[in-house]
Amino acid sequence: DAGVTQSPTHLIKTRGQQVTLRCSPKSGHDTVSWYQQALGQGPQFIFQYYEEEERQRGNFPDRFSGHQFPNYSSELNVNALLLGDSALYLCASSLYRAPYEQYFGPGTRLTVT
Amino acid sequence: DAKTTQPPSMDCAEGRAANLPCNHSTISGNEYVYWYRQIHSQGPQYIIHGLKNNETNEMASLIITEDRKSSTLILPHATLRDTAVYYCIVRVGGPNFGNEKLTFGTGTRLTIIP
Repeated sequence: DAGVTQSPTHLIKTRGQQVTLRCSPKSGHDTVSWYQQALGQGPQFIFQYYEEEERQRGNFPDRFSGHQFPNYSSELNVNALLLGDSALYLCASSLYRAPYEQYFGPGTRLTVT
Repeated sequence: DAKTTQPPSMDCAEGRAANLPCNHSTISGNEYVYWYRQIHSQGPQYIIHGLKNNETNEMASLIITEDRKSSTLILPHATLRDTAVYYCIVRVGGPNFGNEKLTFGTGTRLTIIP
């Protein structure tokens, strides 16, 4: 049983560009949450998707957007990249009605130059 | 969500029990205590959670005080692989609360000493 997978592992982009990160949830899970983790900090919640809709959103600008597909996989899109967007982006999956455990993927390391 | 307070760092000798404290004095009645850990360069890993009773699983034990204002995560026989940042998180839970976000602080950096 595969856990949460994310792609790519590492990514380097230039300021102003756009990026798309991908996440496949753990088998049987229907909810995907995205987190941003800056160096030396704890992960910060970006948003959560369930039934292909954004259900909760953290304090992130509209440059951060997402999508969930019918197979529960998800994408995180960031437009107009800033240097400050450099971080580890984590995806977590869970069951919406049994949320006691969230399983995290290994993350995508984004570097903006 | 209620906030938590953890010591920034702790050391523990290999083979000994590691006891990680967490204060959550403003916890509400419907909020659970969760513990996650993050080994360097990996995603956070769920360890355990509890509401008001002590809990134990294959990884750790969670002791919650009677007033629920603090808790302790216990790793009974620490190994070098337990070196990680440990996060204590308080979060609403239960079947009627959907899937609330996790609010991470800066955690406790636990170092297991050989």
